[in-house]
Amino acid sequence: SQQGEEDPQALSIQEGENATMNCSYKTSINNLQWYRQNSGRGLVHLILIRSNEREKHSGRLRVTLDTSKKSSSLLITASRAADTASYFCATGLMDSNYQLIWGAGTKLIIKP
Amino acid sequence: DAGITQSPRHKVTETGTPVTLRCHQTENHRYMYWYRQDPGHGLRLIHYSYGVKDTDKGEVSDGYSVSRSKTEDFLLTLESATSSQTSVYFCAISERANEKLFFGSGTQLSVL
Repeated sequence: SQQGEEDPQALSIQEGENATMNCSYKTSINNLQWYRQNSGRGLVHLILIRSNEREKHSGRLRVTLDTSKKSSSLLITASRAADTASYFCATGLMDSNYQLIWGAGTKLIIKP
Repeated sequence: DAGITQSPRHKVTETGTPVTLRCHQTENHRYMYWYRQDPGHGLRLIHYSYGVKDTDKGEVSDGYSVSRSKTEDFLLTLESATSSQTSVYFCAISERANEKLFFGSGTQLSVL
């Protein structure tokens, strides 16, 4: 399997519910980032969490990082229709300044 | 996508022809990247630049070349387009290496 795998591949929930997506990786990282991509658009940076951090918040977004399990989760609270998008994690590797490893993404659908 | 533009947005070309995609930024960011995105895959790095005339290969650089003669412009050239290069190409910029990338809107390239 690849570095930076998201789980699940697809998620469909009702508006107002919370959405949780997970990202696993294999090698040591400097940081882990989450991005959102709306259909037909470029990616938008959401949150960056460094390897010495355990949790970060940004508005309705909460990211956790567990380096012992080599995993991260992105929680979107009180989901809205506008949150419908694909979400990608990207890991910045410890031994490379110029390489981000991207997962294949989680497709999130918020049903009204 | 403020501050970063890609051109063209769509391109259809024939196998064997050269193609150049342009990325222009107004943010004065040092780092620029070219990625390709294919269904079922995460983003894959083609080439990146860490300064004017300073470029290096990414994981899928075969068949591609880049040039950066000015801070604001990063060109991607497909020397002789092949059908396997049909993809969506994204340019991205960042102030720090591999952190908080800002993406362009993408170029849909079809090689027939």
